[in-house]
Amino acid sequence: SQTIHQWPATLVQPVGSPLSLECTVEGTSNPNLYWYRQAAGRGLQLLFYSVGIGQISSEVPQNLSASRPQDRQFILSSKKLLLSDSGFYLCAWSGLIRGGNTGELFFGEGSRLTVL
Amino acid sequence: QKEVEQNSGPLSVPEGAIASLNCTYSDRVSQSFFWYRQYSGKSPELIMSIYSNGDKEDGRFTAQLNKASQYVSLLIRDSQPSDSATYLCAAMNRDDKIIFGKGTRLHILP
Repeated sequence: SQTIHQWPATLVQPVGSPLSLECTVEGTSNPNLYWYRQAAGRGLQLLFYSVGIGQISSEVPQNLSASRPQDRQFILSSKKLLLSDSGFYLCAWSGLIRGGNTGELFFGEGSRLTVL
Repeated sequence: QKEVEQNSGPLSVPEGAIASLNCTYSDRVSQSFFWYRQYSGKSPELIMSIYSNGDKEDGRFTAQLNKASQYVSLLIRDSQPSDSATYLCAAMNRDDKIIFGKGTRLHILP
């Protein structure tokens, strides 16, 4: 069966410090991978998504970046955090059926980031 | 800006009644639609996916899609207190981009 691991679960970081969140998927190959952020009481904001190794689509943030060094690994990074980066970060994967993306997302447990 | 819109609620429904959740989307090229349930402090979990016009039933849940009206809904029959959560509607376009609405908070009243 497929599983998704995301870490760290919680972190408190000062403004201007770097960030690295990691996500790995097991039990499937060539998944689509997604990073979302959810600010307190808000909806899910799409940050990045990837349909394959080295293929990253960026949606919104200027100070965040994503990389996909391996098929089932997705990393979210920042060189300098802002206060507005605080939130609940969620990694998710979706699989393929008959060559097409099902779009059905399976989420990790999330990483709760507080920037002070 | 392609968007998915939901009423934020809260929507209060008596236990045992039908809860009706609605969603509209602006991107006509969206092809696939999804409903997720999210409990407070937890990750969203998939309830239903729907890809073609009409109704799709799974247990107490029924998803309805009307592409002409750009409208998706979720019905929950025989609502239970455990159904109290935030329900997120999502749409996927041909580039595999998946956008969520802000969610509707549902309260089932015992």
